[in-house]
Amino acid sequence: DAGVIQSPRHEVTEMGQEVTLRCKPISGHDYLFWYRQTMMRGLELLIYFNNNVPIDDSGMPEDRFSAKMPNASFSTLKIQPSEPRDSAVYFCASSSSGTSGSYEQYFGPGTRLTVT
Amino acid sequence: DAKTTQPPSMDCAEGRAANLPCNHSTISGNEYVYWYRQIHSQGPQYIIHGLKNNETNEMASLIITEDRKSSTLILPHATLRDTAVYYCIVRVDWGNTPLVFGKGTRLSVIA
Repeated sequence: DAGVIQSPRHEVTEMGQEVTLRCKPISGHDYLFWYRQTMMRGLELLIYFNNNVPIDDSGMPEDRFSAKMPNASFSTLKIQPSEPRDSAVYFCASSSSGTSGSYEQYFGPGTRLTVT
Repeated sequence: DAKTTQPPSMDCAEGRAANLPCNHSTISGNEYVYWYRQIHSQGPQYIIHGLKNNETNEMASLIITEDRKSSTLILPHATLRDTAVYYCIVRVDWGNTPLVFGKGTRLSVIA
């Protein structure tokens, strides 16, 4: 398996522009998580899905952020309009509620977003 | 908020064992201890987890005290590639809950 795939790996945009980050989870995984990492706040959860349904979006900073999971193999995180304080590394992770019981999360390589 | 306390940084000589401590004095009976690490510019990577017994896998060993208020992650023969930030996380055992990351320990393996 190729692991969790995120695109783009790097994104530089100007303040006010719309940004869309993409994630393809590991095939067969039914949980998908979006995390954000900054120097000030570390790694923090934004939102997570189970079977394509959002379970907890309390970490989404404000209405400028939205996330969707239209099917089991694709999710997007959109920021509109973007602001300089949104600059961070955004990670997607997936996991399975299968029989192993470890609930291990597999992380993608991240998208480094810079908003100027 | 993270429910664990870890030293901010540690050094370890290459080839020696790296022992990373973690305090989780408020851990509940249904919470596991998980360890992840993050190598520079990569996503976090699962290492190991345990409830109350010591655990070992191909990457590391996890020693949990009898009262479960602290644990130690052991990398038996550290290499330069083990240089990373190591996160100790407590997590309920009933499903795929999100991970709550603290500041972790930055381990530097020195040649």
